[in-house]
Order: sequence, then structure tokens, then C-alpha cells
Amino acid sequence: AQSVSQHNHHVILSEAASLELGCNYSYGGTVNLFWYVQYPGQHLQLLLKYFSGDPLVKGIKGFEAEFIKSKFSFNLRKPSEQWSDTAEYFCAVNRNTGFQKLVFGTGTRLLVSP
Amino acid sequence: KAGVTQTPRYLIKTRGQQVTLSCSPISGHRSVSWYQQTPGQGLQFLFEYFSETQRNKGNFPGRFSGRQFSNSRSEMNVSTLELGDSALYLCASRPSEIAKNIQYFGAGTRLSVL
Repeated sequence: AQSVSQHNHHVILSEAASLELGCNYSYGGTVNLFWYVQYPGQHLQLLLKYFSGDPLVKGIKGFEAEFIKSKFSFNLRKPSEQWSDTAEYFCAVNRNTGFQKLVFGTGTRLLVSP
Repeated sequence: KAGVTQTPRYLIKTRGQQVTLSCSPISGHRSVSWYQQTPGQGLQFLFEYFSETQRNKGNFPGRFSGRQFSNSRSEMNVSTLELGDSALYLCASRPSEIAKNIQYFGAGTRLSVL
């Protein structure tokens, strides 16, 4: 069965610090990879996605992620954090088929202090 | 375009009751999925509907059921509610084309079972 691991459950950073959130998945076939963000009181929003091609993908708000197939990883990065990035971040994967089921990691709560 | 709309936003029920949650997908989206979000288990897939047919089901008891109507709107029903069913229930819709395999989430229905 597919599974997604997010190693950091809680992260606290100061503004301007760099961010890297780890995500590893277990599935041997072709997958699609996603990072979603849930700001306090808001719904899940897509940050970025990887389907194929360039393993370095850029998303909204200056976030990027790198797909490393050999490591089954899809880590999220941002060079300089902002207070408004305080949110919960979810890594998710689904199979590259017509089926929609997303398997989510447990999430990382990020607090960015001003 | 309007986003995914879920009603009601909040529900309070007692053990043993049943509940029906509603989801209206983004216009033109024919695929709808449901997820349960809890602090302990995170986001877990419940089921997926496409063109009024259930295509995939997660590992939940038979008390959880759903359906989709010809206009793609979907309902989820939970019978004989248990305390552990307290959660945020999220609906997501997706365009039909596999190449646009991105799920858009609603704000959710927060169910409290007393």
C-alpha cells in the first residue's frame, strides 16, 4: 500500500530563515506528487505538483520542491520564510492513473515568528 | 468559477444518529472524492465518485456511504454515529482529464459527535 512520511511534525522558524520540509513516499510505480497547504481556518490549497519532466518544480508564494526518484522523496523548500507562511503543510501522492485517491502525509505544522 | 462548496459547515450530532453531508463540485468537474481529517489520523480517503459511480473506497466501515447525482453533486452519509466520527470531512473535485489530475478542496464540514 502507498504511504507518505513527513518527518517534521512541528517546525518553528524565524522570518527570513530558509525552510525545508521532508517528504518520502513508498510506491514503486509512477506517481504524481503534491504539496498542499492549510492556512489557519482555511481550506486545503495546492502549493505545487509534480507529474513528470523537470524534477524541480516551482509553486506559488516562492515555494519549490525537488523530486528525487532514487530516494522516493519530494522535499519542499523556500529560501526565505515569511510570517504569512504559518500553516500546516501536507505532502500527498497518488498513482498516475485515472483514480483520484490521494494518500497524505501526517502534515507539518509550521510556525514562522516575526 | 465558484469553488467546491460543502454544506453545512458545522454539525453537532449525538451518538447513534445519522448525518448527511453535501458537496457541490466546481462546475464541469465530474469526479468527487471525500476525505476525513482528524488530529490523530490526519487526512484519510473515504471514497471517490465519477459519473454517479463509486470508483474507489477507503478503509472505512460500511456506516460510511456516499452517492453522486447526475449534476455531479455528492452526498456522504454516516449512520449510527460514534464519538470517533468527530472530524472535518473534506470534499474534493477534479477535472475529468487525467492530465489535469489536481484535486480542489472545499472548506469542509466539521462534525462533532457528542
